[in-house]
Amino acid sequence: AQKVTQAQTEISVVEKEDVTLDCVYETRDTTYYLFWYKQPPSGELVFLIRRNSFDEQNEISGRYSWNFQKSTSSFNFTITASQVVDSAVYFCALSEARAGGSYIPTFGRGTSLIVHP
Amino acid sequence: EAQVTQNPRYLITVTGKKLTVTCSQNMNHEYMSWYRQDPGLGLRQIYYSMNVEVTDKGDVPEGYKVSRKEKRNFPLILESPSPNQTSLYFCASSTRGTTNEKLFFGSGTQLSVL
Repeated sequence: AQKVTQAQTEISVVEKEDVTLDCVYETRDTTYYLFWYKQPPSGELVFLIRRNSFDEQNEISGRYSWNFQKSTSSFNFTITASQVVDSAVYFCALSEARAGGSYIPTFGRGTSLIVHP
Repeated sequence: EAQVTQNPRYLITVTGKKLTVTCSQNMNHEYMSWYRQDPGLGLRQIYYSMNVEVTDKGDVPEGYKVSRKEKRNFPLILESPSPNQTSLYFCASSTRGTTNEKLFFGSGTQLSVL
């Protein structure tokens, strides 16, 4: 079973629409971290946000906001008033401690967001 | 400028011809890793390294080798590439490889094995 599920493969919106990208995760750890990364058409992945499992406070950064709910194991990402520059593939990732102290972050399959002018 | 540098950006090769994709970071990071990205599968980790001379398998290590002789470099080696290794590859690094750290990614290497 997937540890990180991004059920939306592709979302297409028109500029200025709001859009929410879903992320559902699965873990038995009580301490873990969740991340969102953006992969624009240029290809390089860029870090957007990190949230630890003990901090359920929602976060807003400009047009971006994140809703973390442990009760539903979700960490959703909303873009308000989308712009063409938001077109990218967005990845949600889960980071858990593993035996030996090392970790391998698990990525979802990504959601491709296309914003039309 | 802090960065992870991968080379080459694009590579076309033939089955069985050994190749190396280089990765270098200038942030003095202890942790480095390699991922492959395939359509519909997201990013999957191939190998990672917690420090010099310390490497370990990720989720999809078959057909790949790595080495970490210097802190800054973490090359990915395909001894005998096959068409199923056609993929987009990313190198990534972080300070110590702990669960709370974000990853810094290279620009990617698009590999085609004919």
